[in-house]
Amino acid sequence: KAGVTQTPRYLIKTRGQQVTLSCSPISGHRSVSWYQQTPGQGLQFLFEYFSETQRNKGNFPGRFSGRQFSNSRSEMNVSTLELGDSALYLCASSLEQGSIYGYTFGSGTRLTVV
Amino acid sequence: SQQGEEDPQALSIQEGENATMNCSYKTSINNLQWYRQNSGRGLVHLILIRSNEREKHSGRLRVTLDTSKKSSSLLITASRAADTASYFCATAGNQFYFGTGTSLTVIP
Repeated sequence: KAGVTQTPRYLIKTRGQQVTLSCSPISGHRSVSWYQQTPGQGLQFLFEYFSETQRNKGNFPGRFSGRQFSNSRSEMNVSTLELGDSALYLCASSLEQGSIYGYTFGSGTRLTVV
Repeated sequence: SQQGEEDPQALSIQEGENATMNCSYKTSINNLQWYRQNSGRGLVHLILIRSNEREKHSGRLRVTLDTSKKSSSLLITASRAADTASYFCATAGNQFYFGTGTSLTVIP
């Protein structure tokens, strides 16, 4: 079966712009989580969605938002981009909320803000 | 902030040797998981150990968990060049936190 699909793979944006990243989870997985990975901060949890509701949120400013659709696909939006938002953004899906079974990760979207 | 700290930060070994990575964490957990990440790619789930388990095996992987010391170790036996990657522990409790990672290099 297909894995977690993230689009686009690479993105270059200008400071001040906004960006939307997409994640399609494994079929049947209802939980989608988002992470930001940078060399300096490592893997930082952004938020988790389950059944179209945000169930958990990390310590990121309100410029970072997300949503989940009825088919479990999720989008993440970052508004007013800053240079420090340059990172690898990873999406992970799981059967249930939380991490009872472990997560399956996508290959990520590499965002560069110039 | 990160929940887990991993040790060592970097490890370089010869093919065929064993590699051991350690993870320490701060709060109570439901389970602890180990992931592998090849350069610039997504993470791959390796193994999950529940808080009431002390040891688990999967192929060449052996994971131990000591909840009294809030620590876990990942042992990769008979390492191969293809094992070269970064390895992360992740703790599942009220939230899901990743450790800082260990960069493993296996020299052919």
